[in-house]
Amino acid sequence: NAGVTQTPKFRILKIGQSMTLQCTQDMNHNYMYWYRQDPGMGLKLIYYSVGAGITDKGEVPNGYNVSRSTTEDFPLRLELAAPSQTSVYFCASSYSAGQKRSYEQYFGPGTRLTVT
Amino acid sequence: TQLLEQSPQFLSIQEGENLTVYCNSSSVFSSLQWYRQEPGEGPVLLVTVVTGGEVKKLKRLTFQFGDARKDSSLHITAAQPGDTGLYLCAGAKDTGFQKLVFGTGTRLLVSP
Repeated sequence: NAGVTQTPKFRILKIGQSMTLQCTQDMNHNYMYWYRQDPGMGLKLIYYSVGAGITDKGEVPNGYNVSRSTTEDFPLRLELAAPSQTSVYFCASSYSAGQKRSYEQYFGPGTRLTVT
Repeated sequence: TQLLEQSPQFLSIQEGENLTVYCNSSSVFSSLQWYRQEPGEGPVLLVTVVTGGEVKKLKRLTFQFGDARKDSSLHITAAQPGDTGLYLCAGAKDTGFQKLVFGTGTRLLVSP
């Protein structure tokens, strides 16, 4: 299993440009998440999904959009890039079934985005 | 927003020394996790503690969950250069959704 994969690894955007960060997991996990990590700030949840077709906002959703059409894929869209979106973005997944609830999250390697 | 504060933020020590990292909150968590993150990679889970007062050992790493389930500590004995990395604690609330609140992180550098 590849686990959680993210593309691209690095990207530089100009202010106002748009892009999609790709995330795929092959572990058949129902939960998926997008985080951003800024220096000294830990991880902040942007959006999450509890299954295909279901998404919801996290702590810092402004400026981002997501979709979840399949179990495997959870892309993150930046519509009008701003310098404040310069960060490292991590996708993660986890599994939950009924009362069996494991909070362990499996993370991808991250996408380092710079907006100038 | 529930906050998990970690201390110290940065720690630079020599190989063989012992260290403790703290993770504190005013909120109660149903479980608490510790992750380690290496440069250019995503965090990787080290341990999950779920019971107040619980102690778990992972080789030279000892994790403790506070009795009131508001805080946790990570103790490393005889640190090695391979322990270098960013250590993150993450608390979970039993809300039916697997949302984790991450701490601010402790960056550890172990020099030979």
